[in-house]
Amino acid sequence: SQQGEEDPQALSIQEGENATMNCSYKTSINNLQWYRQNSGRGLVHLILIRSNEREKHSGRLRVTLDTSKKSSSLLITASRAADTASYFCATGDTGTASKLTFGTGTRLQVTL
Amino acid sequence: DTGVSQDPRHKITKRGQNVTFRCDPISEHNRLYWYRQTLGQGPEFLTYFQNEAQLEKSRLLSDRFSAERPKGSFSTLEIQRTEQGDSAMYLCASSLGGVNTGELFFGEGSRLTVL
Repeated sequence: SQQGEEDPQALSIQEGENATMNCSYKTSINNLQWYRQNSGRGLVHLILIRSNEREKHSGRLRVTLDTSKKSSSLLITASRAADTASYFCATGDTGTASKLTFGTGTRLQVTL
Repeated sequence: DTGVSQDPRHKITKRGQNVTFRCDPISEHNRLYWYRQTLGQGPEFLTYFQNEAQLEKSRLLSDRFSAERPKGSFSTLEIQRTEQGDSAMYLCASSLGGVNTGELFFGEGSRLTVL
């Protein structure tokens, strides 16, 4: 089952614009991770934020986490056509911590 | 290439046939995961191994599905008596330690089409 949902389901922007994707989840978490998936390919890890962190940066990526609202956002600044992909959030819960549970994903299209 | 490799990348089979997928994780990773992904959805957890021990199985893993990791290295996922609803991408991932310590490294997936 999916842990939560990303919003929006699909996003289309022009190159150079910023893209913001939101993720909501349901249970208490240890950490939240964001992954990227090009069409028909495997997932690639982008960034991990722990439950005691509020914001994290990596290159053009900025992730925020609000555990009180059980939500996270991923901001991609100065988007490029190569950023076109699906983006998924995934959570490791505080229970068994045995696996990551993925959301439903945001499909990002960046046009020239 | 030292990443996670999956074989075959694509499999087309007729309903009722058995299929087997293989996953070779990153060599030093002790954890190995199988996920299933249908079109437009996120990956759904199927099962995971720590070394050779299968520690958790999802309810999605019906009795037609079996996964093994005999020597704590590569893993196989077998689906018996395939059904059209089994059509999906089957993703394998590995990690060093648990999900609370770091990321999963995914293979490129095995796409199954059941006719």
